[in-house]
Amino acid sequence: QVQLQESGPGLVRPSETLSLSCTVSGGSLSDSNYYWAWIRQPPGKGLEWIGNVYYTGSTYYNPSLKSRVTISMDTSTNQFSLRLSSVTAADTAVYYCARLFPTSGWYYFDSWGQGLQVTVSS
Amino acid sequence: DIQMTQSPSFLSASVGDRVTITCRASQSISRYLTWYQQKPGKAPKVLIFGASSLQGGVPSRFRGGGSGTDFTLTISGLQPEDSATYYCQQSDTTPYTFGRGTKLEIK
Repeated sequence: QVQLQESGPGLVRPSETLSLSCTVSGGSLSDSNYYWAWIRQPPGKGLEWIGNVYYTGSTYYNPSLKSRVTISMDTSTNQFSLRLSSVTAADTAVYYCARLFPTSGWYYFDSWGQGLQVTVSS
Repeated sequence: DIQMTQSPSFLSASVGDRVTITCRASQSISRYLTWYQQKPGKAPKVLIFGASSLQGGVPSRFRGGGSGTDFTLTISGLQPEDSATYYCQQSDTTPYTFGRGTKLEIK
């Protein structure tokens, strides 16, 4: 049973870079059957897909965030990371890491971390 | 981006009732539709993928249907533990997008 756990600072100052990590246990980032994703949920709002990384290192980003986002992975530690630059209060959200499962052409997030609240404030 | 519109945004029903939540895509997404359940303070959980395929471990009272632009999630024989917010998500085209959610209250 794969488990994902987010880690990182809960408070980030405006204009700085948000950096989060996701540690995967019970599964491997090198598994070609999955992608690894970040999703966020602003307070009281719905879910927003940020982007994915594949075991090859290929990345896929939401165009609305693409200019500010970097997702990377470290297979030696089985962790993948999110960097979001030039943050504002609008980036305040619960950030989830998740596993994206492509099956028969359907892509869905089949395992999630518990979520990490990140607040952007001075 | 493909817009996903859910209705209603809030639903109140009693134990044992049957309820239906709808999700409409702004363009055809074939059957690339997933339903999630999210309880307060928890991560979303997959209920249905491929519009109508039940995820392992999910009770059979959850049923998904539809194709193209119009989809439904039906919950039969409501249980108290079904109180949650339900989201649809399309995976036809990136960026993957979610509906704004339907909050289900059990009276």
